[in-house]
Amino acid sequence: DAKTTQPTSMDCAEGRAANLPCNHSTISGNEYVYWYRQIHSQGPQYIIHGLKNNETNEMASLIITEDRKSSTLILPHATLRDTAVYYCIVRVAGWGGGNKLTFGTGTQLKVEL
Amino acid sequence: NAGVTQTPKFRVLKTGQSMTLLCAQDMNHEYMYWYRQDPGMGLRLIHYSVGEGTTAKGEVPDGYNVSRLKKQNFLLGLESAAPSQTSVYFCASRSYDEQFFGPGTRLTVL
Repeated sequence: DAKTTQPTSMDCAEGRAANLPCNHSTISGNEYVYWYRQIHSQGPQYIIHGLKNNETNEMASLIITEDRKSSTLILPHATLRDTAVYYCIVRVAGWGGGNKLTFGTGTQLKVEL
Repeated sequence: NAGVTQTPKFRVLKTGQSMTLLCAQDMNHEYMYWYRQDPGMGLRLIHYSVGEGTTAKGEVPDGYNVSRLKKQNFLLGLESAAPSQTSVYFCASRSYDEQFFGPGTRLTVL
């Protein structure tokens, strides 16, 4: 699976949009970009994933650049409960090879009043 | 649905003791995973299973064994615990698009 690079930490004011970047310059054509988050001491939680088109769900939006070498996770109106470590992961879709997730160290997002 | 549950939540062992961590899921998922997370680090895959009766090694399998006798359960065993196995252990099961994680087991080996 392709390696990802994320900033170690970011701050965001409550109510503002949080934009979390991820670089994945070696991504392959059949690899998806996944985002998970881990609120302190809890198990990780799935947020969103995409291949090449922008995606939106009730939690967030995912913007993937046209060359697919980077992406941005957007939390449109961050709240204190969004304070967490956010992991950007790339992996091949489907069921082959156990479809393992490789977690880096992620971005620690701190939402403040 | 309870989702993914883990037993126990906390455990303290002495070096050389053995124990089994239980993971259960009620979502009828084929794939299940065991991870460990050390302070300040991301999760690392220990073992995984792609179905009942099958298991495979992950990134850091040494010192651990697993069994998947029933589809809904995935057991992680430590035969002879070492202080280096002090960690938080997370279990997960997988649907097509996402993994669902349990709340974790905090294990301390003295």
